[in-house]
Amino acid sequence: AQSVAQPEDQVNVAEGNPLTVKCTYSVSGNPYLFWYVQYPNRGLQFLLKYITGDNLVKGSYGFEAEFNKSQTSFHLKKPSALVSDSALYFCAVRGPGYSTLTFGKGTMLLVSP
Amino acid sequence: DARVTQTPRDKVTEMGQEVTMRCQPILGHNTVFWYRQTMKQGLELLAYFRNRAPLDDSGMPKDRFSAEMPDATLATLKIQPSEPRDSAVYFCASGSETLAGGLNEQFFGPGTRLTVL
Repeated sequence: AQSVAQPEDQVNVAEGNPLTVKCTYSVSGNPYLFWYVQYPNRGLQFLLKYITGDNLVKGSYGFEAEFNKSQTSFHLKKPSALVSDSALYFCAVRGPGYSTLTFGKGTMLLVSP
Repeated sequence: DARVTQTPRDKVTEMGQEVTMRCQPILGHNTVFWYRQTMKQGLELLAYFRNRAPLDDSGMPKDRFSAEMPDATLATLKIQPSEPRDSAVYFCASGSETLAGGLNEQFFGPGTRLTVL
């Protein structure tokens, strides 16, 4: 089975500060990992993905994520948060032999002015 | 700017009525997914099509839900009869799989907000 855990329901950060949204996964074999963002009353938007190669992946809107195989983690990061980054963030995984993604429960990011 | 479109955006209906939700995937994508999002359960996969063939609908209540792809430009999700517990936001997503079986990112539609009274 494949699974994703997002241990924080909500992350609060002040504008201008760095942010981290945590994600850990469980699959057998090498994972494909994704981050999506959902703004209110909108569908999910793709942010970035890790398939293979460099462990640090850069994505849209200044976000990046670091793949750590030993810790089975794929944390989302941004050096300087914006109020407009406030949204619901989903981590997703696909393991070998699976055709579909498994999404985490989501983490609400709130960036205060 | 290619997008997944979904209709209707909002639907309010009474218990027992049939509901049909439609999705137009991005042209050229060969995979289509239906998800349901609720506060309690989060994002759940209901059904998955590849090249219009249903591959996985294990997440869908079979007695009342059905999903089809009559052609490559249309996917439908039907609920008959609808129940209050079906109230949720239903998302369609499309994507493409590589020849090697790799799954690229999925592109989500704006969703259909269903309220069953």
